[in-house]
Amino acid sequence: GQSLEQPSEVTAVEGAIVQINCTYQTSGFYGLSWYQQHDGGAPTFLSYNGLDGLEETGRFSSFLSRSDSYGYLLLQELQMKDSASYFCAVRGVGNMLTFGGGTRLMVKP
Amino acid sequence: ETGVTQTPRHLVMGMTNKKSLKCEQHLGHNAMYWYKQSAKKPLELMFVYSLEERVENNSVPSRFSPECPNSSHLFLHLHTLQPEDSALYLCASSQGTVSYEQYFGPGTRLTVT
Repeated sequence: GQSLEQPSEVTAVEGAIVQINCTYQTSGFYGLSWYQQHDGGAPTFLSYNGLDGLEETGRFSSFLSRSDSYGYLLLQELQMKDSASYFCAVRGVGNMLTFGGGTRLMVKP
Repeated sequence: ETGVTQTPRHLVMGMTNKKSLKCEQHLGHNAMYWYKQSAKKPLELMFVYSLEERVENNSVPSRFSPECPNSSHLFLHLHTLQPEDSALYLCASSQGTVSYEQYFGPGTRLTVT
């Protein structure tokens, strides 16, 4: 089976940096993805790591360590609009995505 | 705008009703998915269609019946649901099932009374 663990909630202030961690246990691994979902909205794709290391896309970066079964999403220069839920997802056996429970990020002024 | 639309956006139904959820993607993708999102639970994959054929059925109760008439449309037929089936039902599409990037619709908020 596959399971992913991420914190349920994180709070940070505007302009700060926040890191959302994700650990996973999978039978087969083909990559780690991150999705953002605002309240009442659809999940939207943020980033993907297929290999170890850091991927940067603007204010957002994502990191993967396959040996540690661990990844994180780093959000810099936080803005109020970044308040949302963030999901990590693993592509494993069968190439289907399995999602974590989501981390609710609250950005305060 | 993600290119994936779902109707209705909200649905309230009794346990004896029959209703259908509709999903349409305008992205030219060839794989479509149904997910269930309940409060405080991870997104649960329900069904996967690739090239209009079902390739995954994650032990979903038979009161949920999917239909994929073509690569752009996906339906979820509902009958004799239970209150615990109340959830947000999300449709997604991708280019091939091995894609790591899926495009989600806004979902249908279903309440079973």
